[in-house]
Amino acid sequence: GEDVEQSLFLSVREGDSSVINCTYTDSSSTYLYWYKQEPGAGLQLLTYIFSNMDMKQDQRLTVLLNKKDKHLSLRIADTQTGDSAIYFCAVNGQNFVFGPGTRLSVLP
Amino acid sequence: GAVVSQHPSWVICKSGTSVKIECRSLDFQATTMFWYRQFPKQSLMLMATSNEGSKATYEQGVEKDKFLINHASLTLSTLTVTSAHPEDSSFYICSARGAPGATEAFFGQGTRLTVV
Repeated sequence: GEDVEQSLFLSVREGDSSVINCTYTDSSSTYLYWYKQEPGAGLQLLTYIFSNMDMKQDQRLTVLLNKKDKHLSLRIADTQTGDSAIYFCAVNGQNFVFGPGTRLSVLP
Repeated sequence: GAVVSQHPSWVICKSGTSVKIECRSLDFQATTMFWYRQFPKQSLMLMATSNEGSKATYEQGVEKDKFLINHASLTLSTLTVTSAHPEDSSFYICSARGAPGATEAFFGQGTRLTVV
């Protein structure tokens, strides 16, 4: 079946850039997503990228897609304390398959 | 983006009772709705997928008689946790997708269920 993997934890200092990585196995995925989950809350769609793109930028967020290696990354520039959350990578196939989530901690 | 409203946001119930959670798409017709469960500090686990007017498709290991899903209209799906037990305590999240192959699914805010 489809599999999506992420590193579980990331700590960065406020003002630095954060890079969250994701790998997936389903090469037929057409859309790939990044969701943010703050403590006790539901999911918030941050951004998504179509599989024929290799980069998408939206303000502080940059998504890079290496389709050959099935590798997706989310870069957050000038990371703030409000960015502390769990970030889920997801791919759109028959179902939405989620990665385990990366817990981002931003240190002052 | 489109809005999905999930109700209630949190509920506490006694062991042995049943709890119904509603998921509504407010400004679009959801042909497919997904129900997820999230244990503390863990990722989302897909429980079932439901298409309007059809029986839900449950993931392996999910008891369909315990987690009843009804998707009677294009804007409403319900999840009923029957004869709830403390181990059913969890965070339940629904998502809704419009047309098949639509670019994204929209998520409800989640329901925190505590069974005492």
